[in-house]
Amino acid sequence: AQTVTQSQPEMSVQEAETVTLSCTYDTSESDYYLFWYKQPPSRQMILVIRQEAYKQQNATENRFSVNFQKAAKSFSLKISDSQLGDAAMYFCAYRRGPQGGSEKLVFGKGTKLTVNP
Amino acid sequence: DGGITQSPKYLFRKEGQNVTLSCEQNLNHDAMYWYRQDPGQGLRLIYYSQIVNDFQKGDIAEGYSVSREKKESFPLTVTSAQKNPTAFYLCASSIDRKTQYFGPGTRLLVL
Repeated sequence: AQTVTQSQPEMSVQEAETVTLSCTYDTSESDYYLFWYKQPPSRQMILVIRQEAYKQQNATENRFSVNFQKAAKSFSLKISDSQLGDAAMYFCAYRRGPQGGSEKLVFGKGTKLTVNP
Repeated sequence: DGGITQSPKYLFRKEGQNVTLSCEQNLNHDAMYWYRQDPGQGLRLIYYSQIVNDFQKGDIAEGYSVSREKKESFPLTVTSAQKNPTAFYLCASSIDRKTQYFGPGTRLLVL
């Protein structure tokens, strides 16, 4: 079974600085998708960024970028120019590829990010 | 506005009572999902539906039931067979069955 591990239960960063959140996963599949979701205090899960495993280029969305290391099964999230609104729980998630059958997202346990003014 | 709505925001259940959580989307997405989140945990899949009148069990379907009579709606019933229903419930939908977009959630508490 696929598993997702987030080894940092909590992280903190100064406003305007850069922070990297770690995620590793375990799978025997070659085709899959990886996601980072943000859950602010409102508790709604908000998609931050998505990466397809077949793409070598790391995904980027404005201040958010990933470092996808397929061989190492690592998928870290870098937040640049951190803002107070970035404070939230961040979840890494895995989904098998389109031929994989199961629709589910497998989530890590999350990293709580605090942004200090 | 297009999006996913869940109601109610808070729901209280008495012992032995069935309760139904609503999930509606106007995004024209075919696939819809129900997840449960417990404190300090990620989300776990309860049920999902790829198309109207069809749905599949997820990892923790026991004690729950769903229906998918309309494309826009995917209600979840928490039955009396679910012995530990206190949790945060999130509904999601997907246009491509790859990326899932979530609603605001319902918190269920047992009286």
